[in-house]
Amino acid sequence: GAGVSQSPSNKVTEKGKDVELRCDPISGHTALYWYRQSLGQGLEFLIYFQGNSAPDKSGLPSDRFSAERTGGSVSTLTIQRTQQEDSAVYLCASSPPGVYYEQYFGPGTRLTVT
Amino acid sequence: AQRVTQPEKLLSVFKGAPVELKCNYSYSGSPELFWYVQYSRQRLQLLLRHISRESIKGFTADLNKGETSFHLKKPFAQEEDSAMYYCALSGGYNKLIFGAGTRLAVHP
Repeated sequence: GAGVSQSPSNKVTEKGKDVELRCDPISGHTALYWYRQSLGQGLEFLIYFQGNSAPDKSGLPSDRFSAERTGGSVSTLTIQRTQQEDSAVYLCASSPPGVYYEQYFGPGTRLTVT
Repeated sequence: AQRVTQPEKLLSVFKGAPVELKCNYSYSGSPELFWYVQYSRQRLQLLLRHISRESIKGFTADLNKGETSFHLKKPFAQEEDSAMYYCALSGGYNKLIFGAGTRLAVHP
């Protein structure tokens, strides 16, 4: 079946602009995660959605970052007033019910802030 | 604080040589540890989980609570093992904390 998809694959934006990144998880997966992958920094956890529960936002680096998940499926990560340090690959992952550690990753969105 | 440390950014070996990718963690409770792998032009994927104690693609990893380590080992490296390897820790709350990753380069 189809895997996790993300769009756009690449995004170049000017400093100060807002961007929206989209994630379509695997159908039936109840958990959805956003990570940021910066050069030499590994994967940084941003936010986690599980079913209808309140999201775990503990990894969001600032209040410029927000995310929502509509209808328990598609998720959008929004970065307001982008800064150059926001440049990174943003990865989305989803996992089946009860198997949080088996995360299926999308191809990522490469964000470049100029 | 929960933390995963992978001290090597790059590990370069020749085909047939043994491989050990180091991972150390910091966690006060009983951790669950995992290795994820990302091959060139492919997505990040789960390689193995410490609880399962299985060998995947010839790789094994043993959790050493005394040394707080979870090193990934393979006795004879193959060129197709070249990839980025990430160690990950679950400290509860159904989320993973990843290390910075180690790039394994296996030369012919």
